[in-house]
Amino acid sequence: NAGVMQNPRHLVRRRGQEARLRCSPVKGHSHVYWYRQLPEEGLKFMVYLQKENIIDESGMPKERFSAEFPKEGPSILRIQQVVRGDSAAYFCASSPLGDHEQYFGPGTRLTVT
Amino acid sequence: QQPVQSPQAVILREGEDAVINCSSSKALYSVHWYRQKHGEAPVFLMILLKGGEQKGHDKISASFNEKKQQSSLYLTASQLSYSGTYFCGTVDTGRRALTFGSGTRLQVQP
Repeated sequence: NAGVMQNPRHLVRRRGQEARLRCSPVKGHSHVYWYRQLPEEGLKFMVYLQKENIIDESGMPKERFSAEFPKEGPSILRIQQVVRGDSAAYFCASSPLGDHEQYFGPGTRLTVT
Repeated sequence: QQPVQSPQAVILREGEDAVINCSSSKALYSVHWYRQKHGEAPVFLMILLKGGEQKGHDKISASFNEKKQQSSLYLTASQLSYSGTYFCGTVDTGRRALTFGSGTRLQVQP
């Protein structure tokens, strides 16, 4: 079984550009979570989604960041007008049900120049 | 508010034991433990649900004291492959999102 897939694995953007990060959960998993990790730091929760619904976005910055998990296709984390402080590893995780173990993807390392 | 992990770092010799603690100021529904190696994704180790259970597989086990809002991860007879950063993640009652601690860096030396 394929695990959580994320692409791209590495993404370089200039300040002001948009970044789109994709996450395909484990087959059969309908719960997706996004986390951000700065170098040498822990994982910070950003958003929790189910198909077509945002369940908890309490960790998302109010501006420039958005996430979706459409009925068909991968979950997308979108960062508009990126700034240097957005440089981080962004991990996606999925679970079959809420409150269950989460399986992490390999992450997307975003570098803003 | 993120859970507090201790110690922040520990160095072991192969075969030695270690305990990593995780405590929260909030009422917890569950505690999750993950290990992350440098540059890699976190790997799920185990989940403990409220009810004060204890779990384990191989030489890694964990306990969850719901009343004290604390969990401990026990590593016995450590192996070189145990090296990495261990994170606890907590789920508060009433929420579903994981809040991770700042991590415990474990290094096992030959």
